[in-house]
Amino acid sequence: DAKTTQPTSMDCAEGRAANLPCNHSTISGNEYVYWYRQIHSQGPQYIIHGLKNNETNEMASLIITEDRKSSTLILPHATLRDTAVYYCIVRGFFSGGYNKLIFGAGTRLAVHP
Amino acid sequence: DSGVTQTPKHLITATGQRVTLRCSPRSGDLSVYWYQQSLDQGLQFLIQYYNGEERAKGNILERFSAQQFPDLHSELNLSSLELGDSALYFCASSVGPSEGDIQYFGAGTRLSVL
Repeated sequence: DAKTTQPTSMDCAEGRAANLPCNHSTISGNEYVYWYRQIHSQGPQYIIHGLKNNETNEMASLIITEDRKSSTLILPHATLRDTAVYYCIVRGFFSGGYNKLIFGAGTRLAVHP
Repeated sequence: DSGVTQTPKHLITATGQRVTLRCSPRSGDLSVYWYQQSLDQGLQFLIQYYNGEERAKGNILERFSAQQFPDLHSELNLSSLELGDSALYFCASSVGPSEGDIQYFGAGTRLSVL
């Protein structure tokens, strides 16, 4: 699975869009980008995933660059409850049949009033 | 609420003891995963079961073992506990065993070894 690089921390004002970047320059053609978040010490929560097209769901949008070497998770209207550690994970659908998630350090997003 | 249930929420025990953590997956999910989160190691994959059979192993210590029962619930057994085993233990479940299956996590069990 490709390695990812994320900023250690970010701040965002409540009601504004939070844009969380992730670099994955070694991503290969069959690898997807997944985003999870962990609020305080709760269990990680799945947010979204994508391959090369931009994706949107009720929680967030995922923008993947054309060369797929980086992506951005967008929370369109951040609230205080979005304060969490956000993990960007790259993994392939054919990585030997193992579905383990490899978590890095993630980005600690602080949403302030 | 992810639909994954873990019990107990908190566990306090002493070094050398043995504990069992329990996980009930989401309805319909056949795969169960265990992860450990400690302050210095972050979230680490321990082991995966699919429909009662071990599927993949991560950095799980020999003192730790797991199983998945016919009703699909899973237990993680930790023995000869050491101070360093203090951590959050998360269970996740997915529909199948495949790489594309989304994992949904429980609220975790906080283990404190004194």
